[in-house]
Amino acid sequence: EIVLTQSPDFQSVTPKEKVTITCRASQSIGSSLHWYQQKGDQSPKLLIKNASQSISGVPSRFTGSGSGTDFTLTINSLEAEDAATYYCHQSVGLPITFGQGTRLEIK
Amino acid sequence: EVQLLESGGGLVQPGGSLRLSCAASGFSFSTYAMNWVRQVPGKGLEWVSAISGNGVSTYYADSVKGRFLISRDNSKNTLYLQMNSLRAEDTAVYYCASSYVVFHYGLDVWGQGTTVTVSS
Repeated sequence: EIVLTQSPDFQSVTPKEKVTITCRASQSIGSSLHWYQQKGDQSPKLLIKNASQSISGVPSRFTGSGSGTDFTLTINSLEAEDAATYYCHQSVGLPITFGQGTRLEIK
Repeated sequence: EVQLLESGGGLVQPGGSLRLSCAASGFSFSTYAMNWVRQVPGKGLEWVSAISGNGVSTYYADSVKGRFLISRDNSKNTLYLQMNSLRAEDTAVYYCASSYVVFHYGLDVWGQGTTVTVSS
């Protein structure tokens, strides 16, 4: 099983700050790493696919990078509406797995 | 508008069965793989099962293998999850989500979720 480990688990940040969330895979997954945002009781929303590909309708302040085992989600100039839990997800092999999540609190 | 709408959740006793449905609209359902992902309230996301666009290939998490069955009816644009021998640890919100194919692609559209509670 490919284990995805996110860091940090929790971060409290102020608006306009730059935030970096990392996701480390237990083995190489190429670029098959995707990022989601989940607010409160809502369903998750795809933010970035295949490590760095943007999604239509997602604000440009969300960017992704990385390949192999180390990946990063960057949020530039954080906004209050970005308060959420963020998950990474790999779809290379079975079982398909998610990271444990990173909860972002806006001060 | 692209939409997925789950139904069929509810309260069931341990050992019981439940069938979830996911109605799709706004996209070419038969050309997309479909997934079930669950989430215990307050916890993280757990992938449960996936099925290819033509329904030929199916995949399961070890935690549900042999108890759950994923299927689809492309003529009705509907995905199903038959859940048997339910356990307390199956209690969760169940989401259906689409992906272009099962592997190497993200889950681009999610439903709102349906809650399954397994309790006596």
